[in-house]
Amino acid sequence: DTAVSQTPKYLVTQMGNDKSIKCEQNLGHDTMYWYKQDSKKFLKIMFSYNNKELIINETVPNRFSPKSPDKAHLNLHINSLELGDSAVYFCASSRWGDRVHEQYFGPGTRLTVT
Amino acid sequence: DAKTTQPPSMDCAEGRAANLPCNHSTISGNEYVYWYRQIHSQGPQYIIHGLKNNETNEMASLIITEDRKSSTLILPHATLRDTAVYYCIVRSALSGNTPLVFGKGTRLSVIA
Repeated sequence: DTAVSQTPKYLVTQMGNDKSIKCEQNLGHDTMYWYKQDSKKFLKIMFSYNNKELIINETVPNRFSPKSPDKAHLNLHINSLELGDSAVYFCASSRWGDRVHEQYFGPGTRLTVT
Repeated sequence: DAKTTQPPSMDCAEGRAANLPCNHSTISGNEYVYWYRQIHSQGPQYIIHGLKNNETNEMASLIITEDRKSSTLILPHATLRDTAVYYCIVRSALSGNTPLVFGKGTRLSVIA
């Protein structure tokens, strides 16, 4: 009964390729997020979506394009991959509204660009 | 940038209480204190949150000072499975779903 799932768990690819990471949540939440954790272990928000609409885009290069086909899914497509994109990407979800306190994170996707 | 300061690492003997401090001297009136943890190679996990009163749940207790400028997360009986990086986060919960801003956290090592 995984609450937030991501596929794939590991992704190894070469520079210049295009790849996608998928995220699904079965919690009935209407808000989803992508966070990036770099090699120094800093976790930073990239995007957040509410009801399939982009709410936050934190100065992420245009090569990153999130897509939300429905409220339960938020996929991340990355074009022209660069070495610096190597990181662990975490999807998360929550309810929307004031005094919403918990975000639920997926297990992460470790992306390695060679 | 994170609005909190935490020690980079701490050790705790198994079975003893782990007390993790956090300074948040610039916290504003509508901001909550949250604690998350990240066990190696896993996604962050919510532990507890508080506004000004002390809070307790099945995982931990949160003690917030009266001036709200610091807090302490207490794991009453630490086990080896509590070894993780613990993040103290200050965040407003009154404006939709502001994302979490993670700092460097405290790496807690529980030792047998």
